[in-house]
Amino acid sequence: DQQVKQNSPSLSVQEGRISILNCDYTNSMFDYFLWYKKYPAEGPTFLISISSIKDKNEDGRFTVFLNKSAKHLSLHIVPSQPGDSAVYFCAANSNSGYALNFGKGTSLLVTP
Amino acid sequence: DAGVIQSPRHEVTEMGQEVTLRCKPISGHDYLFWYRQTMMRGLELLIYFNNNVPIDDSGMPEDRFSAKMPNASFSTLKIQPSEPRDSAVYFCASIRWGLGNTGELFFGEGSRLTVL
Repeated sequence: DQQVKQNSPSLSVQEGRISILNCDYTNSMFDYFLWYKKYPAEGPTFLISISSIKDKNEDGRFTVFLNKSAKHLSLHIVPSQPGDSAVYFCAANSNSGYALNFGKGTSLLVTP
Repeated sequence: DAGVIQSPRHEVTEMGQEVTLRCKPISGHDYLFWYRQTMMRGLELLIYFNNNVPIDDSGMPEDRFSAKMPNASFSTLKIQPSEPRDSAVYFCASIRWGLGNTGELFFGEGSRLTVL
């Protein structure tokens, strides 16, 4: 049973525009959320995270928003660059757990 | 410091053969995870270890899969016998849990398995 859901398998955005990747979760015990980025033939790498006590965390061009009441988070990339083209995985963890629960990923393509 | 090292990077085998995937975690990390990536299921947790002891293997699909961690610097994931539906990319990840750590796993580059 998928507790972290990324319902958009793919997204295409023009360079310079905003990319918005969405993620929903079902487990109310999750209290920490992460985004990972994965290039082909490489392992996922950590991108940005947010604790459930916050509703926004920003790191350069990347911002993650958390809406706990809706059990929804989103990753905003502004401005998008061709090098951002990758698969983005949403992940969640609870204070009592040690393993991350991942979504299926969203493939982002940023076109020039 | 070297990252998580996995071998082989690619494995092509025939149905029924035994497959062994290997992982060397980052030195000092006390948790090791095996994940599998498929198009249908994304990244799913198979098993994880703490200080070389298996903690949760509920994600292991069936008895054909087994994992060991004989010491802090080495783990194996074995599939015997392999089947075409096992074709996937298998990732190993590690972390040192501690105060202030909130779960950013370090992943290896993966082992792509193709079972014909």
